[in-house]
Amino acid sequence: AQSVTQLDSQVPVFEEAPVELRCNYSSSVSVYLFWYVQYPNQGLQLLLKYLSGSTLVESINGFEAEFNKSQTSFHLRKPSVHISDTAEYFCAVRGQDSSYKLIFGSGTRLLVRP
Amino acid sequence: EAQVTQNPRYLITVTGKKLTVTCSQNMNHEYMSWYRQDPGLGLRQIYYSMNVEVTDKGDVPEGYKVSRKEKRNFPLILESPSPNQTSLYFCASSFQGSAGYTFGSGTRLTVV
Repeated sequence: AQSVTQLDSQVPVFEEAPVELRCNYSSSVSVYLFWYVQYPNQGLQLLLKYLSGSTLVESINGFEAEFNKSQTSFHLRKPSVHISDTAEYFCAVRGQDSSYKLIFGSGTRLLVRP
Repeated sequence: EAQVTQNPRYLITVTGKKLTVTCSQNMNHEYMSWYRQDPGLGLRQIYYSMNVEVTDKGDVPEGYKVSRKEKRNFPLILESPSPNQTSLYFCASSFQGSAGYTFGSGTRLTVV
């Protein structure tokens, strides 16, 4: 079985500042890792994913996440945030076994202030 | 367009009145799942289905039923809704051998 921990429920940050949203997971098998974003009053959108290969993955809007197997982490970073990045971010994990189950963290609300 | 369609988007109902939230996908995905999202708890799995006529409980199945009579449809049934089922619900589907998931737009349910 897998589990996901997002340590920060809310992260306030000023516009153009860097940000890191933390995600740690536990699993007895290898995993696939995901970050989803939910803008206010909207559904879930896939932001980026790690399946295999390079441990650094990037999204089209400047976010990146690095898979660290030894620390079982998949932190999300952006060097300079915009007001429009205000949203809730969910880290999720799925085991590379026969289970399709996608397990989510409790979410981190990113609040970008002018 | 490949998508997962949920209906309705918003629903307000009264305690005890049976309701069904529909979910349909047009990608021929084997796997489908229902989640509920609550503040501070993230998304929790209610039920899932590995294929037609194959369903199983997730982490929070109490008070819900599902069926999978056709591959494309996976309705969520609340036989006797209660206020603690007020939540945002998401349907998702996935293809065997793929790690990716497609989510519906969500259904916001309020039970009064």
